Amino acid sequence: AQSVSQHNHHVILSEAASLELGCNYSYGGTVNLFWYVQYPGQHLQLLLKYFSGDPLVKGIKGFEAEFIKSKFSFNLRKPSVQWSDTAEYFCAVNIKGTSYDKVIFGPGTSLSVIP
Amino acid sequence: DVKVTQSSRYLVKRTGEKVFLECVQDMDHENMFWYRQDPGLGLRLIYFSYDVKMKEKGDIPEGYSVSREKKERFSLILESASTNQTSMYLCASSPSGQLYGYTFGSGTRLTVV
Repeated sequence: AQSVSQHNHHVILSEAASLELGCNYSYGGTVNLFWYVQYPGQHLQLLLKYFSGDPLVKGIKGFEAEFIKSKFSFNLRKPSVQWSDTAEYFCAVNIKGTSYDKVIFGPGTSLSVIP
Repeated sequence: DVKVTQSSRYLVKRTGEKVFLECVQDMDHENMFWYRQDPGLGLRLIYFSYDVKMKEKGDIPEGYSVSREKKERFSLILESASTNQTSMYLCASSPSGQLYGYTFGSGTRLTVV
């Protein structure tokens, strides 16, 4: 069955530390990839997405992600985190079907940034 | 600013009640979705719709039904609420064709007692 896994349930970092959140999916066909972020008390919003082309994609607020097809991975990175990056991060994979697409979300990673 | 609006932020219902969760989007999106979000489980798809009066089951449709009589409105119905349906419910929408990612509502936190 198709699935999306995220390596860490909860990550705690100090401000200015570098961030990498892992995401792997299990599906051999064509995919589109997303990272969403949910700040405390706010709705989920799109951070970045990969459709095709350059496997390194840049999103809002200095985030980037790299698609490595051979590893079925789409890891999220930020060189220097801020307290305001404290949030829950969800990786999502769009799987192309014959009649319609299906989006599968990972379980989420909670990031806490300590000032 | 484009929006997906969910009618209630918090709801408390009794076991066995029929519960309606409403979602309205103002972006003329074809696709609408209902998810539930539970800690450690991420988002799980309940139902979705790619057109008016059209609905498809997601991964966990049991105990739920949906209605989409108008393009902008997608309702989730709990026919007989149970305590294991206590959760955060998220509505989302997206345009058809190439995927742009979803626009989410703020969510409805439902507690069934």
